[in-house]
Amino acid sequence: DTGVSQNPRHKITKRGQNVTFRCDPISEHNRLYWYRQTLGQGPEFLTYFQNEAQLEKSRLLSDRFSAERPKGSFSTLEIQRTEQGDSAMYLCASSLGTRQPQHFGDGTRLSIL
Amino acid sequence: GIQVEQSPPDLILQEGANSTLRCNFSDSVNNLQWFHQNPWGQLINLFYIPSGTKQNGRLSATTVATERYSLLYISSSQTTDSGVYFCAVPNDYKLSFGAGTTVTVRA
Repeated sequence: DTGVSQNPRHKITKRGQNVTFRCDPISEHNRLYWYRQTLGQGPEFLTYFQNEAQLEKSRLLSDRFSAERPKGSFSTLEIQRTEQGDSAMYLCASSLGTRQPQHFGDGTRLSIL
Repeated sequence: GIQVEQSPPDLILQEGANSTLRCNFSDSVNNLQWFHQNPWGQLINLFYIPSGTKQNGRLSATTVATERYSLLYISSSQTTDSGVYFCAVPNDYKLSFGAGTTVTVRA
């Protein structure tokens, strides 16, 4: 039984570069979530997919951020023109339904130089 | 949106001690999750506990939904229990997290 898989685990990049993260949810889960966690804080919601449909985007998700979930399977989160403030842990979660527990991946830690 | 408050913010324990962590939430909820974030950043599911009491080894949790709080009990703490403990409640379909309780268990 594989859990939620995220890669890369760590990403270091220069300010202004584009980065893309990948999330593979638990196979039978049709709901997928992205969260962001900064130091000393709890995770904050970014966006949510039900199958391939992106149903909500947080106001935290500026127009430099885009997320996709083609075919309702894996998801990607892209950040364009990265800024210092984008440094954070990006967490992906999946669930079987809205009243089911969310299971988190190990996250991608992004550092902007 | 729903507010989640955790207490205490920090807890230092001697190995073998017991402790209780609290999570208060501002509105009625139909489920609640407790997580442990280890020093490597991994967020591990501990409990999915809408109401009542559950136990898993040395850990147990109780949610009293009508009074809008949940408690996490750690018994006979070990150094591997160190990390940050979060509770989270659903806000529509997304989870709203508390700020966490940082637990340090000293040998």
